[in-house]
Amino acid sequence: KAGVTQTPRYLIKTRGQQVTLSCSPISGHRSVSWYQQTPGQGLQFLFEYFSETQRNKGNFPGRFSGRQFSNSRSEMNVSTLELGDSALYLCASSPMGQASTDTQYFGPGTRLTVL
Amino acid sequence: GQQLNQSPQSMFIQEGEDVSMNCTSSSIFNTWLWYKQEPGEGPVLLIALYKAGELTSNGRLTAQFGITRKDSFLNISASIPSDVGIYFCAGYVHQGAQKLVFGQGTRLTINP
Repeated sequence: KAGVTQTPRYLIKTRGQQVTLSCSPISGHRSVSWYQQTPGQGLQFLFEYFSETQRNKGNFPGRFSGRQFSNSRSEMNVSTLELGDSALYLCASSPMGQASTDTQYFGPGTRLTVL
Repeated sequence: GQQLNQSPQSMFIQEGEDVSMNCTSSSIFNTWLWYKQEPGEGPVLLIALYKAGELTSNGRLTAQFGITRKDSFLNISASIPSDVGIYFCAGYVHQGAQKLVFGQGTRLTINP
C-alpha cells in the first residue's frame, strides 16, 4: 500500500498571501488529521476530518481551514499568511479515526516558508 | 491544555549503548504512542500502547505504558547509527478523539 502523500513538499509564499496544501491518505483510510510542526511549539494538532466533516479542531485561528473530499483526500488552506505560519505541515491518516484502536500514519509533510 | 513532558531533550551516546527516554503528564492518557522522525520526513510510528501496564517490544525497542496512565518510557538496546533521529511520545486524551498530543521530542545523536 502506498503511504500518505502530501503535495507540494516545499512552498515559499509572502505575507498576506494564501496557500492550499493537499494530502492523500492511505487507501481505505477515512480519517485525516493535520498538524503544524515548528521548532518553538513542536507538533500541534490543527483539525481532523472524517467522512467530509470536521470532527475535531485544535486552537488555531480561523485563517486555518480545511476540507475533505468524498475520496478522503484532504486540503488545508491558510489565508492571510503571517511570518509565524512558517512550519512543517503534516498530514496523518487512520482507518476510522478511533483513538482506542486506530493508529495515525504520517506523510512527509509540506515545508511552508513565509517571507 | 494537556501536555506531555518528555526527557531528556537530547542525548549523545556511543554506538552500542542502551538508551532510555520517558514521558510524563499531569493528565491521564488512554493511548500512548512512540514515534521517530528523521530530517525531511514525517513521524514514523514505532510502538503503540493501549493498556495501562502494557509492555511492548519491537526489535531492539521496548516501551511501557505506566500503571497510572500518566507516563511511558521507551528503551533502545544496543544502539546503531540508524537510530539517530528525534523520538516523540504522543497520546490521545479522550476515547474516540483523534487529537494527538505530542511531547517536545528527544534528539538522539550517536557517535560511531
